Amino acid sequence: DIQMTQSPSTLSASVGDTVTITCRTSQSISNWLAWYQQKPGKAPKLLIYKASTLESGVPSRFSGSGSGTEFTLTISSLQPDDFATYYCQLYDSFYTFGQGTKLEIK
Amino acid sequence: QVQLVESGGGVVQPGRSLRLSCAASGFTFSIFTMHWVRQAPGKGLEWLAVIWFDGSNKYHVDSVKGRFTISRDNSKNTLYLQMNSLRAEDTALYFCARDGHNSAVDGFDYWGQGTLVTVSS
Repeated sequence: DIQMTQSPSTLSASVGDTVTITCRTSQSISNWLAWYQQKPGKAPKLLIYKASTLESGVPSRFSGSGSGTEFTLTISSLQPDDFATYYCQLYDSFYTFGQGTKLEIK
Repeated sequence: QVQLVESGGGVVQPGRSLRLSCAASGFTFSIFTMHWVRQAPGKGLEWLAVIWFDGSNKYHVDSVKGRFTISRDNSKNTLYLQMNSLRAEDTALYFCARDGHNSAVDGFDYWGQGTLVTVSS
């Protein structure tokens, strides 16, 4: 099975900051990676798929990059609504999620 | 608009069974692959199972293989998760999700609100 490691587990930042979350896989997955945002008590929301394609309606301050085994989610100019938990996900024959990154207000 | 509504959760004793349902509307259910995902209290997301659009293929994560079974009834636009031999560690919020591949979106593009399963004596 492909292992996924997402880091950091917690991230503290301020409104206006730029932050980066990383997801690493134990073997190459090409660009079959998605990113989700989840707020407490709510279902996850798809942000990015195929590592770098922005889902319709998602603000352009969200961006994804990477291929192979290392991927990043970057959020530029953080807005108050962005403080949430973020998950990466392998999107292939199996659909493993990363451990999650909680983005907190500093 | 696309809607996914889960039901069937509740409190159940260890060792018992439960069947979750996910009613789909607002899209052509029969052409989309579907998934179940769960989230234990305070924990991360765990993908559980996938079923092809026509039910011809299905896969389950090892932690539930042999106990949980995903199925669907395209005539009723409904996805199911049969859960047997439930354990305390199966306590979680269970989500159904649509695989967006048929909409050229390679991710889970729509989710239900979740149904809570509590396994406790």
